[in-house]
Amino acid sequence: KAGVTQTPRYLIKTRGQQVTLSCSPISGHRSVSWYQQTPGQGLQFLFEYFSETQRNKGNFPGRFSGRQFSNSRSEMNVSTLELGDSALYLCASSLAAGSSYEQYFGPGTRLTVT
Amino acid sequence: GESVGLHLPTLSVQEGDNSIINCAYSNSASDYFIWYKQESGKGPQFIIDIRSNMDKRQGQRVTVLLNKTVKHLSLQIAATQPGDSAVYFCAEKTNNNDMRFGAGTRLTVKP
Repeated sequence: KAGVTQTPRYLIKTRGQQVTLSCSPISGHRSVSWYQQTPGQGLQFLFEYFSETQRNKGNFPGRFSGRQFSNSRSEMNVSTLELGDSALYLCASSLAAGSSYEQYFGPGTRLTVT
Repeated sequence: GESVGLHLPTLSVQEGDNSIINCAYSNSASDYFIWYKQESGKGPQFIIDIRSNMDKRQGQRVTVLLNKTVKHLSLQIAATQPGDSAVYFCAEKTNNNDMRFGAGTRLTVKP
């Protein structure tokens, strides 16, 4: 069974631009969560989607948004990029939402904002 | 031990020794805890989890201990191998149902 895939793996953008990252969960998984990982702040939860609905949201500004499609694939969007948005963005999928289900992480998208 | 959002503690052990990685979590209402392993260039990998109604859980070569009184979690790795070298994170699922991760501990295994 294929793992979680994220595209692109690497991305360079300039301040003020916007970016869209994509995540394909493991087949059969319906929940997708997004995380931001930086050396200074570590891993921080962005949001969780299940059945095309946002179930939970972390403490990030409205510039960070996401969505989930009927096939469970998910995208996250960051608008008006800032230098501080440079990070590894990780997606994780699980069978369903909630704490009973093990999350499987993708390799991440490394975003650099210049 | 580790502090959320600050420096990355390190632990260096000899191959074959046991490793103990510690974590202090923040929310006494958290009911689910997970340990992840992250190797360079990869996403975190699930190792073991534990629910708040338990104080110990064992897996293959790993044991997680939970002390709710002092909000402390530990991961014990038996007979540590070079392939265990990685950054280890603890995570808690809070009563708001979001995941919070510790800063991580870098484990280095010396041959």
